[in-house]
Amino acid sequence: NAGVTQNPKFQVLKTGQSMTLQCAQDMNHNSMYWYRQDPGMGLRLIYYSASEGTTDKGEVPNGYNVSRLNKREFSLRLESAAPSQTSVYFCATRRGTETNTEAFFGQGTRLTVV
Amino acid sequence: LAKTTQPISMDSYEGQEVNITCSHNNIATNDYITWYQQFPSQGPRFIIQGYKTKVTNEVASLFIPADRKSSTLSLPRVSLSDTAVYYCLVGVDTGRRALTFGSGTRLQVQP
Repeated sequence: NAGVTQNPKFQVLKTGQSMTLQCAQDMNHNSMYWYRQDPGMGLRLIYYSASEGTTDKGEVPNGYNVSRLNKREFSLRLESAAPSQTSVYFCATRRGTETNTEAFFGQGTRLTVV
Repeated sequence: LAKTTQPISMDSYEGQEVNITCSHNNIATNDYITWYQQFPSQGPRFIIQGYKTKVTNEVASLFIPADRKSSTLSLPRVSLSDTAVYYCLVGVDTGRRALTFGSGTRLQVQP
């Protein structure tokens, strides 16, 4: 039972390059999220998926796209990386009910764009 | 979604009890109060959730007064390993069904 697994753990990109961050969960949760966390800051929601087959924008979606491939997997894509996207990216899952506030986070992907 | 206010940072020493208070004046009737802990280079981890009065688990206690406009996370006898950022969250963004994190309280425990 791995919980929430993110890959890669670290990545360095050049400006303009593209990449996909992978997230997989084995908790059978409906809801999945992508957050970014800049140094010394809280987490900001990029995109979320309330259930398989649906995705929606969060607070800071510009420059990103997502795919909810199936119930287990939710990927985040940077089409043309920019230095402003240097951050730590966290994937999270939640059972998805209105009162359930227990989310489970992956270990994060530390991305540097040069 | 109710806005939360908590101290930016706190310092403590090993063995002391630490209380972190969070204000949430606009909490809605259906909102639960949740606290997360985040260690450096790790994702946040759920600590405790409550609706009213007091909740206790193996990690912490959560005190919520009758008006629910604030809450206090209590960590008994902290150790160096409790050094982390603690986030207070209120409710769920029902539109996005997501959790909104503020900047949290950075707790530094010293020997």
